Amino acid sequence: AQTVTQSQPEMSVQEAETVTLSCTYDTSESDYYLFWYKQPPSRQMILVIRQEAYKQQNATENRFSVNFQKAAKSFSLKISDSQLGDAAMYFCAYRSHDTGTASKLTFGTGTRLQVTL
Amino acid sequence: DTGVSQDPRHKITKRGQNVTFRCDPISEHNRLYWYRQTLGQGPEFLTYFQNEAQLEKSRLLSDRFSAERPKGSFSTLEIQRTEQGDSAMYLCASSSAREALNTEAFFGQGTRLTVV
Repeated sequence: AQTVTQSQPEMSVQEAETVTLSCTYDTSESDYYLFWYKQPPSRQMILVIRQEAYKQQNATENRFSVNFQKAAKSFSLKISDSQLGDAAMYFCAYRSHDTGTASKLTFGTGTRLQVTL
Repeated sequence: DTGVSQDPRHKITKRGQNVTFRCDPISEHNRLYWYRQTLGQGPEFLTYFQNEAQLEKSRLLSDRFSAERPKGSFSTLEIQRTEQGDSAMYLCASSSAREALNTEAFFGQGTRLTVV
């Protein structure tokens, strides 16, 4: 079974600064997807960024980028130019590429990001 | 279509009562998932439908839980004889795995259940 570990329960960043959220995972599969989801207070979870394991290039979405280290099974999220609206719980998630496993997501425990002025 | 819709948003029930939650997925999505999220934890997979067929159930889904998706549209999750340990946020998500439309999971806002 796959596991996802987020070792930072809380992080804080000043507005306009950069912050990196850590995630490690364990799997015996070679092909899979990794995700970062954002869950603002009392609002639904939204997808921030996605990485396919077979791609060596790190995914980037505007101010959000990842550092994907497949051998180390590490998948960190970097948020540049942090904004107040970035404050939320961030979840790292894993999905197998094998559609026979229903495309279910395995989540970490989350990191609460605070953005200060 | 405004996204995945869940009803109710909040439910308080007495221990031993039955509760039912509803999820309306994005209309073009053929896959629907239920997750449970307890305080301080990430969501945990409960069950999955492809169209109307329930294809996978987690061991977390005890006999008191049942989910349906009649006609492959909306889904219901029923919990019978609720226990305090059932208190959690129940999240619904939908996605598409069709060739013409392949998406990742979109989540609803969840139903927060409190069993007293």
